[in-house]
Parts: sequence; C-alpha cells; structure tokens
Amino acid sequence: GESVGLHLPTLSVQEGDNSIINCAYSNSASDYFIWYKQESGKGPQFIIDIRSNMDKRQGQRVTVLLNKTVKHLSLQIAATQPGDSAVYFCAENMERGGSYIPTFGRGTSLIVHP
Amino acid sequence: DAGVTQSPTHLIKTRGQQVTLRCSPKSGHDTVSWYQQALGQGPQFIFQYYEEEERQRGNFPDRFSGHQFPNYSSELNVNALLLGDSALYLCASSSSRRGSTNEKLFFGSGTQLSVL
Repeated sequence: GESVGLHLPTLSVQEGDNSIINCAYSNSASDYFIWYKQESGKGPQFIIDIRSNMDKRQGQRVTVLLNKTVKHLSLQIAATQPGDSAVYFCAENMERGGSYIPTFGRGTSLIVHP
Repeated sequence: DAGVTQSPTHLIKTRGQQVTLRCSPKSGHDTVSWYQQALGQGPQFIFQYYEEEERQRGNFPDRFSGHQFPNYSSELNVNALLLGDSALYLCASSSSRRGSTNEKLFFGSGTQLSVL
C-alpha cells in the first residue's frame, strides 16, 4: 500500500497472480507515456508505451491502460513471475524543442512471492 | 551490440570536490540524456545533449555541466560537490533519426556517487 517518506509504494503478489500498478500523471499536455522496469543495480528498462490517442495497448503479458480524463495510467502484468520483482516507473512525455523529455513518477516496488 | 555503458560504476568523493562521469551511447544513437536518481525516487532529468550541444536542461544548478563528443559519447561534470549530490547518475541514449522511435530511452546501469 501507500507509504510516505523514502519508502516506495509497494505491491506484494503471489506468483501466478495478475498485478496492477497505478500511476497518476500531472500534465494534461503530455501525449506519450512509457512504463519502465528497474531491477536492483540496473538502469530503467523500457516495458511498453502508449500514445494519448489510445486508451489501451497490449504487449507480451503486459497491458497499459490510459485514462486521460483523470490523468491516470495503469500497468497490468498477467501471471506475475518472480523475475517481475522490480521497481516500476511511469513516465509522461511532452515534446520540447524537438525532443521528448520524460518526467518520471516516484515508482512502485513490486514484490512477487514464489 | 553494446548497450549504454557508463563509468565508473561506483565513486566516493568528499564535499567540495569535482567529479566527471562518462557515458557511451548505444550503437546508432546520437542523443544522450543524464538523470539523477536519489534513493527511493524516480530519475530526475539533468540535461540532454545532441550534436555536441546542450539541447534541454532540467532544474539543476550550474554546478552540473556536460559535454558531448563527436563520437556521441558524453561526460557529466559536477563541481563543488554537496552531500545531497549523492545519488545514482544514469545516462540514457536515444536516436534522433527520422523513423526511429526516438522517444524511447535506453539506460545504462548508472554510476553510484557517494559524497562524504
């Protein structure tokens, strides 16, 4: 659940369950969104993206949902595996000066119990 | 095909010192961005380099500066280090070429900087 200070929001699930990680973004002008996965000791790794003209996009075992009305993103992971344990970040993007500069959220720690 | 590489992996400095971090982008990428990630936080954008020039900058003081070389590699310099500069510094590369998904960043594993 939610927590304050330095502690990341944490989601604990059992192996095989479905996981849903939520994210609220701040800028209504953002038009491109990315989910990243960051494992311990590594940099963030691209998982899936979605543009603002879509409300759903599916990948392999992952689905991203976008609700622009309430500025909310979610990442659904099907049949969660221990290897999915990591911190997940959503990033909102808005084009500035010809390039996209993602703004990262705080992250959610996913813990998968075998 | 090598991904984004950063050096060193770990670094310990004392307050007031200066540090230089290095990054080689993924093959085929020409744009390098630097991020600071404090413990328990998401990466915060420092600046982006393209064509050897700083193209965008986040909310970081002038103590943070950078450089991009003709081979697209990049350096991040931090002067007058403060305790609060202790963080993981991430380099990310992307491509500006037409038709590429230049919004997708590929990150290195970062340099863990500790300021004592």
